[in-house]
Amino acid sequence: SQTIHQWPATLVQPVGSPLSLECTVEGTSNPNLYWYRQAAGRGLQLLFYSVGIGQISSEVPQNLSASRPQDRQFILSSKKLLLSDSGFYLCAWSITSGRAREQFFGPGTRLTVL
Amino acid sequence: KNEVEQSPQNLTAQEGEFITINCSYSVGISALHWLQQHPGGGIVSLFMLSSGKKKHGRLIATINIQEKHSSLHITASHPRDSAVYICAVRRRGSNYKLTFGKGTLLTVNP
Repeated sequence: SQTIHQWPATLVQPVGSPLSLECTVEGTSNPNLYWYRQAAGRGLQLLFYSVGIGQISSEVPQNLSASRPQDRQFILSSKKLLLSDSGFYLCAWSITSGRAREQFFGPGTRLTVL
Repeated sequence: KNEVEQSPQNLTAQEGEFITINCSYSVGISALHWLQQHPGGGIVSLFMLSSGKKKHGRLIATINIQEKHSSLHITASHPRDSAVYICAVRRRGSNYKLTFGKGTLLTVNP
């Protein structure tokens, strides 16, 4: 069966510090991968998605970047965090073939920037 | 106006009650998803549907494509059903992007 891991679970970082959040998927090959952010009182917002190694698409301009160094690894980064980067970050995956595009979510990382 | 609107925003029920959460959307879609977010933040996919009705245990999801409306029903509600329920739609022509509602916070009291 497929599983998705995210770490760390919680993170408190000062403004201006770097960020690296990691997501890995097990039990599937060549998945589509997604990074979402859920800010307080707001719905989920898609930040990045990837259809393969090294292929990243950004949905919104922001202080963050994403990379996919391996098929089942997706990394969210920032060189200098802003207060507005605080939120709940979720990684998700879906299959790439067929009509079904159900997305499966990881446990999330709660980031607080102080 | 958001493309996906959910109602109510907050819902409190007594254990055993029948619950309905509504989702309306304003764009053409290829699929609609219902998700459940637990208090700790983890999200579970409940249903993905493009027509008709689906049932899983005490949960039932329906969709009316012509009216651009979906409902999530919970029969015989239980305190463990307390969570945020999120509606999301995949636009027609998009293979991946979901647009999310803001969620409905359900609290079921014993």
